[in-house]
Amino acid sequence: GQNIDQPTEMTATEGAIVQINCTYQTSGFNGLFWYQQHAGEAPTFLSYNVLDGLEEKGRFSSFLSRSKGYSYLLLKELQMKDSASYLCAASAGVDSGYALNFGKGTSLLVTP
Amino acid sequence: DADVTQTPRNRITKTGKRIMLECSQTKGHDRMYWYRQDPGLGLRLIYYSFDVKDINKGEISDGYSVSRQAQAKFSLSLESAIPNQTALYFCATSERQVNYNEQFFGPGTRLTVL
Repeated sequence: GQNIDQPTEMTATEGAIVQINCTYQTSGFNGLFWYQQHAGEAPTFLSYNVLDGLEEKGRFSSFLSRSKGYSYLLLKELQMKDSASYLCAASAGVDSGYALNFGKGTSLLVTP
Repeated sequence: DADVTQTPRNRITKTGKRIMLECSQTKGHDRMYWYRQDPGLGLRLIYYSFDVKDINKGEISDGYSVSRQAQAKFSLSLESAIPNQTALYFCATSERQVNYNEQFFGPGTRLTVL
């Protein structure tokens, strides 16, 4: 089965750090993606984790624990342009066409 | 230049009409996908294709059909549109790789069925 959970909304202040959590249950789990989506636009790739641990890429980091079915996206030094929806997606294996099973997204509002 | 393009970008139609949404890509990717996005429901997979001769149903294929005319083209059809098919539709592509499936999304088509 497929089940991806993440908070619906979060608010944080410019310059601060925010952590967006995601839990998943995916058959044939094959990795965890994070995408950013601004309103009315296409999702764009942020990060990918397949092994346990932290992946850092500039202001953005992503963590995965396969045994716990848990990931988080960490955004540092928040900027106003980071206001967007953040999508957690678990990748299924070949039997499911390597489909991405998306959570409903976390809408992040960055305030001055 | 956009790597994944969708036409039309916006479409308003009436219940019962046949609608085709088109997707083209210049990335040379084998895998193509169609998703719909609804407020509060996230992205849901409609159909996917690994190559021209390989078409598979996704989570919500009822009421939709697809055609993979070439490696670069993947069309989604609504044979008889209904209002609950009003949504934002995205096409996506990915490379033929084992164990890695980063998907690249087109700009989306906003469809309204009256």
